[in-house]
Amino acid sequence: EAQVTQNPRYLITVTGKKLTVTCSQNMNHEYMSWYRQDPGLGLRQIYYSMNVEVTDKGDVPEGYKVSRKEKRNFPLILESPSPNQTSLYFCASSAPGQGYYEQYFGPGTRLTVT
Amino acid sequence: KNQVEQSPQSLIILEGKNCTLQCNYTVSPFSNLRWYKQDTGRGPVSLTIMTFSENTKSNGRYTATLDADTKQSSLHITASQLSDSASYICVVSRYYTNAGKSTFGDGTTLTVKP
Repeated sequence: EAQVTQNPRYLITVTGKKLTVTCSQNMNHEYMSWYRQDPGLGLRQIYYSMNVEVTDKGDVPEGYKVSRKEKRNFPLILESPSPNQTSLYFCASSAPGQGYYEQYFGPGTRLTVT
Repeated sequence: KNQVEQSPQSLIILEGKNCTLQCNYTVSPFSNLRWYKQDTGRGPVSLTIMTFSENTKSNGRYTATLDADTKQSSLHITASQLSDSASYICVVSRYYTNAGKSTFGDGTTLTVKP
């Protein structure tokens, strides 16, 4: 089954404790993105990757890191999490269609930083 | 500034009724406009995608329209069902060649009551 998977789905952590949220897709997509979703703010892009070893900042990259060493994986790293990073995080991958890129979202990771 | 504004913010309708959600955007240059359905706590799922040359696209009971001149789109839901209760998100992308550049609206929360 074609899908985007994220782990963990739920995470509660403390300020300053490094964490990684994994994202994997089995559709051989070149493009992958990370978003955060907060009430009243909609989905905002954190980072995206156009291919292996090619990444770029989105709209809200501060406090996050990413890497793309393999095509299928795109982990999101929080080196020193803070309470304002409490949010719902989505990974997405994209494939070209007829004049657009079809985007597929993962199930989400709900992160709480205390 | 690239923006996507959706209205209404929330909507309650009775099962079987029709409804129309609105999306106005100022994103430029325009590549494509998508409507997503997002169930609570889950990732968004694509309903329709329209490029510049398309002014209507249907997916079952969902019909999206696009007026690229006025930069407006609408999503019409026919014969609503309880399962239509969700958030509906309008997304506008700026470049075909860069799948990462998308602007998301805040969504319209639809509640369908029996």
